[in-house]
This record gives sequence, structure tokens and C-alpha cells, in this order.
Amino acid sequence: QTVVTQEPSLTVSPGGTVTLTCASSTGAVTSGNYPNWFQQKPGQAPRALIYSTVNKHSWTPARFSGSLLGDKGALTLSGVQPEDEADYYCLLYYGGTWVFGGGTKLTVL
Amino acid sequence: EVQLVESGGGLVQPGGSLRLSCAASGFTFSSYWMHWVRQAPGKGLVWVSRIKTDGSSTNYVDSVKGRFTISRDNTKNTLYLQLNSLNTEDTAVYYCARGASSGYVISHWGQGTLVTVSS
Repeated sequence: QTVVTQEPSLTVSPGGTVTLTCASSTGAVTSGNYPNWFQQKPGQAPRALIYSTVNKHSWTPARFSGSLLGDKGALTLSGVQPEDEADYYCLLYYGGTWVFGGGTKLTVL
Repeated sequence: EVQLVESGGGLVQPGGSLRLSCAASGFTFSSYWMHWVRQAPGKGLVWVSRIKTDGSSTNYVDSVKGRFTISRDNTKNTLYLQLNSLNTEDTAVYYCARGASSGYVISHWGQGTLVTVSS
């Protein structure tokens, strides 16, 4: 069973920069895993932020960016805003099926 | 505007069945892969299943294989998830989500429908 691992929690100061990562139990995360990233606030449905590693949706704020960092997928928030406090999930593709990471709770403090 | 509206959730006893629906509007439904994702109370997201544009290909997470069936009716712009042999671990909010017409993306989500499995 494939496991996707994210940091359980991170804390960042307003205006700061933070990188969230996404690791795969099968090995390095590659562009072939087509990493997607989602934001979820309490009581709300998830909202898509990034797809296919680096691509932003039309509604994604410019301060969010996706990349591969070493052997992991990564989501970087630059110039963090208080409203960015949320849970963040990565999603990886494995040849027919998808697997979510366990999520990162981002606190802006 | 893309809209996805789930329905059909509710309270069901262990071993029971339920059929979830997702009414889609604001886009050409037949051109997009569609997905179901669930989230147990206080837990993370779990990808459950996906179905190809014409219904000819489906995939499932191992934990639901043989129990859940995804389907779609492109004439009604509706996605379905048949849930059978339910157990308490299936208690969750079930979201439908729009996938890609091409490429590998999940872009739009419904608000979810709650399924509670309890005696």
C-alpha cells in the first residue's frame, strides 16, 4: 500500500515563506506523479491550488507555487497571509489510482 | 460556473447500502473524468474512485474494491457512487470532484454529502 507523507504541522509568521513537502513510499516523487495541491479550511470543501507539479489554477493566488524539491513534491507559500491558515493536502498519481498525503496543518502566527 | 452538488447521504446500518449522486452543471460533463473523495470526521482526504469520460474505465482504492461502484449518466450530467456492504469505517463526507479532460488534475469540488454508518 502506497503511503504519501506530509509534515503534520508547520508554523509561519505573517509575511514569511514556508515550504510544504510531499514524499512517496515508492521512491522519488516525479513529474509522472502529477502532484496536485489542495487547501482546506474548517467546515469547507477542499480548493485546488496546483496541478501537474507547477501549474496554477486561474484562481490560485500568485504567492502559491509548486515544484519538485529533491525527491519530494513541494508547495511554497511566499508572503504568507493570515487567511492562508488551513490544512494542505498533496495528491499523487500512481498509474490509475491517486493517493492523498495525510495533510499539513499550517498555522500563521 | 462549475457546480457539483452531491446528494444521497444519510444514516445507514452496518452491512447496508446507499447510492450517492452528484449533479454537475456549468461544463461539458461528458468531457471530464470524475472522482469521488471521502473524509472521515476529523481526518484527512482519501481518494476513493474515478471514472473515465465515457464510463469505460474505472479505478478504486483497495479498501472499497468489490463494495463500491462508480458510474455516470452523461445524458443526465450525473455521477454516482453505489456503496454496498458498508461498515463503520466508511463513515465520512463524500465529495465528488471534477478531473481532467486531458492531463492529470482535480480542479473543482462539490460541498460533500455525509454518510454515517452506525447501528
